[in-house]
Amino acid sequence: EAGVAQSPRYKIIEKRQSVAFWCNPISGHATLYWYQQILGQGPKLLIQFQNNGVVDDSQLPKDRFSAERLKGVDSTLKIQPAKLEDSAVYLCASSPWTESGNTIYFGEGSWLTVV
Amino acid sequence: AQSVTQLDSQVPVFEEAPVELRCNYSSSVSVYLFWYVQYPNQGLQLLLKYLSGSTLVESINGFEAEFNKSQTSFHLRKPSVHISDTAEYFCAVSEYGGATNKLIFGTGTLLAVQP
Repeated sequence: EAGVAQSPRYKIIEKRQSVAFWCNPISGHATLYWYQQILGQGPKLLIQFQNNGVVDDSQLPKDRFSAERLKGVDSTLKIQPAKLEDSAVYLCASSPWTESGNTIYFGEGSWLTVV
Repeated sequence: AQSVTQLDSQVPVFEEAPVELRCNYSSSVSVYLFWYVQYPNQGLQLLLKYLSGSTLVESINGFEAEFNKSQTSFHLRKPSVHISDTAEYFCAVSEYGGATNKLIFGTGTLLAVQP
């Protein structure tokens, strides 16, 4: 069974530029997550989708971050304009359902460096 | 709201020695508990989880963790570590019976196994 796919794996941009990350979850998983992992910290949930609807985006900086999952399958996370503090690993993950206790499966992450 | 504390940022240990990685949590409601492992340049993988039942849970590669409700702890142990266990270990919680599957992570503990 294929895991969670993410691209690109690495990206370096200058501050105030834009960047987009793509994620394809495990086939059949209804719930998709984007987590931000800053160096030395644990991952923090940015946004959670159930099919193509948003379940939780309370920690998404909406002035610069946006995410969509239009057809309820793959998803894109965009940052515009980027700030230095956005340097982090962006982890996409998926689970079969939304309810708590479900195992969440993570992709390998997209590493962003903002210079 | 929940929070997770992993007091040890790094734990150096010699191969074949026992190890314990500490995790304490704070929550006003009941929680599910998880340990995830992150090998270098890889995404997080679920190591084990406690949902209900026996307070001692085991993984397939020899790790175990015990849920202690009175001490609000979920420490991870292994009686004999291998070089291949070198990785970052994250403790996480989610709300018991919650409508979302939001994970709150600790800051991680780097297990460094030396020959």
